[in-house]
Amino acid sequence: DTGVSQDPRHKITKRGQNVTFRCDPISEHNRLYWYRQTLGQGPEFLTYFQNEAQLEKSRLLSDRFSAERPKGSFSTLEIQRTEQGDSAMYLCASGGTGSENYGYTFGSGTRLTVV
Amino acid sequence: AQSVTQLGSHVSVSEGALVLLRCNYSSSVPPYLFWYVQYPNQGLQLLLKYTSAATLVKGINGFEAEFKKSETSFHLTKPSAHMSDAAEYFCAVSAAGGTSYGKLTFGQGTILTVHP
Repeated sequence: DTGVSQDPRHKITKRGQNVTFRCDPISEHNRLYWYRQTLGQGPEFLTYFQNEAQLEKSRLLSDRFSAERPKGSFSTLEIQRTEQGDSAMYLCASGGTGSENYGYTFGSGTRLTVV
Repeated sequence: AQSVTQLGSHVSVSEGALVLLRCNYSSSVPPYLFWYVQYPNQGLQLLLKYTSAATLVKGINGFEAEFKKSETSFHLTKPSAHMSDAAEYFCAVSAAGGTSYGKLTFGQGTILTVHP
């Protein structure tokens, strides 16, 4: 068990550029979540996958955001035409069946800075 | 709908003193409740959870929390603070079952400072 890995750890991009983040969950976990955390705030839910199916998306996830989880393994989160308001820490979490009973494992996050 | 309110964005204690971090929740269905800790530039680590078993929950690093349904509270305590406890703490709620898919709703966090 190597935990949840996120790549890159830090990303600085110019406004208007596209960025993509990757999350590798714990291998046997079928649930995968993306959260966004801005400075001084708690994480906010963005989207949820069960295996390869994206089952829920927050209204925070505008049409510039897209997430995928091909084959139910790793997941990617892409932001197109980045804006300064997208600057945040993007956290990935994974859990197995019944993980609502025992919690989720979070990755260390990707910190995005849009300049 | 669910929400979490953490009372006090900053709490400061002396080393060896009692730590009390307050969390109140709102949930239309039976809740599951969690406390997470976050160190700078890191992800969240689970401290403890309440999932409808014992109302007094013990977690890692000497922390515990008590679920009080009548007060809709889930306050986090530790009898004696250590310098290494300095971090940001988040209370979170999820719905037990249903179509929430286990997603967490977090409070805004409480930064704990421990003075020597």
